[in-house]
Amino acid sequence: DAGVTQSPTHLIKTRGQQVTLRCSPKSGHDTVSWYQQALGQGPQFIFQYYEEEERQRGNFPDRFSGHQFPNYSSELNVNALLLGDSALYLCASSSSGDSSSNYGYTFGSGTRLTVV
Amino acid sequence: GENVEQHPSTLSVQEGDSAVIKCTYSDSASNYFPWYKQELGKGPQLIIDIRSNVGEKKDQRIAVTLNKTAKHFSLHITETQPEDSAVYFCAASTRANAGKSTFGDGTTLTVKP
Repeated sequence: DAGVTQSPTHLIKTRGQQVTLRCSPKSGHDTVSWYQQALGQGPQFIFQYYEEEERQRGNFPDRFSGHQFPNYSSELNVNALLLGDSALYLCASSSSGDSSSNYGYTFGSGTRLTVV
Repeated sequence: GENVEQHPSTLSVQEGDSAVIKCTYSDSASNYFPWYKQELGKGPQLIIDIRSNVGEKKDQRIAVTLNKTAKHFSLHITETQPEDSAVYFCAASTRANAGKSTFGDGTTLTVKP
């Protein structure tokens, strides 16, 4: 059973450029959340997608946008990249049907974005 | 919004000793508290979780306790092994916003053989 798959694993971009990161959720999962993890810090919630719509959003500017496809996979787009956007971007998936079991998420290994 | 504080930031123990990591949260509406282990180059992996209607939960060498009144919860690892060395994160969320977890800043645990 494949877990959460993220691509690419590493990426180097120049300030001002745009980037798209991709995530395939774990089989059976329909909800995808994106997190940003700066070096030495805990993950910070960016937004969550369910039924192809953004359901919740953290304190991130509009430069961060996303999309969810009918097969539940998701993309994270960041425009006008800043040096401070350098971080590990994590995708986490879960099932909306998990009402009695754990609410925990399955995380991917992340995409390491470096902005130069 | 929710704020989660985690202590200590680094913890070094001898193999076989116990390790304790503590977290506090601010939002009394939070009712779900997972703990994640993150190894180098990998994403966080859920190792144990607890809900607000339970005071303690154990899974082999790992246990978590929750004090709702004081708004703090702790991770206990007994009989530590070198493979327990990793960064551990606590998090808090509500069932209604289960996708929006607030994480602590992590504890780097080193288990010396």
